[in-house]
Amino acid sequence: EAGVAQSPRYKIIEKRQSVAFWCNPISGHATLYWYQQILGQGPKLLIQFQNNGVVDDSQLPKDRFSAERLKGVDSTLKIQPAKLEDSAVYLCASSWGPGAEAFFGQGTRLTVV
Amino acid sequence: AQTVTQSQPEMSVQEAETVTLSCTYDTSENNYYLFWYKQPPSRQMILVIRQEAYKQQNATENRFSVNFQKAAKSFSLKISDSQLGDTAMYFCAFIAGGSEKLVFGKGTKLTVNP
Repeated sequence: EAGVAQSPRYKIIEKRQSVAFWCNPISGHATLYWYQQILGQGPKLLIQFQNNGVVDDSQLPKDRFSAERLKGVDSTLKIQPAKLEDSAVYLCASSWGPGAEAFFGQGTRLTVV
Repeated sequence: AQTVTQSQPEMSVQEAETVTLSCTYDTSENNYYLFWYKQPPSRQMILVIRQEAYKQQNATENRFSVNFQKAAKSFSLKISDSQLGDTAMYFCAFIAGGSEKLVFGKGTKLTVNP
């Protein structure tokens, strides 16, 4: 089966610009996660969807970050405006449901200059 | 709040030897799942092993096994017959039935030396 697809793989932007990341989960997976992974650290959960509803977004900086999951399938994560500290790898993952194995995409490496 | 602690930032092991990575967690939930994920350099995260809290038997997957101590809230990963391809970051992760958030530890960087 196809894995979790993410695009773009790499993105370089200037601070105060906006950027969007796209994720296509594995077909049929109800749960979708967005994580921020700063170099050398563990993934930090930004937002978790169950179908098209938000399960948790307590660590999402809502003044600049937004996310949506269209029709319970694809998802986009947007940053506007970007700050230098947003430089990180943004990982998307999906699973059948809570407790099931999460499958990860290859991530989007964002560099803010 | 659910937390996961990995106290070993880096470890190294000789090829063919055994190594154990530590993980502790904190939760008030009774129903939860624990995972070890592997992230090789510049490659995507993959699942190594999964444990359901209600199962007393420790999970095993080929050379990988866990020591799950529920009362102590400890979940260590043992890698037997270490191979060069085991070199990676290893993350302990946890999800509780109540919160349904998948939370990761900070990771342990494992290097297998020839």
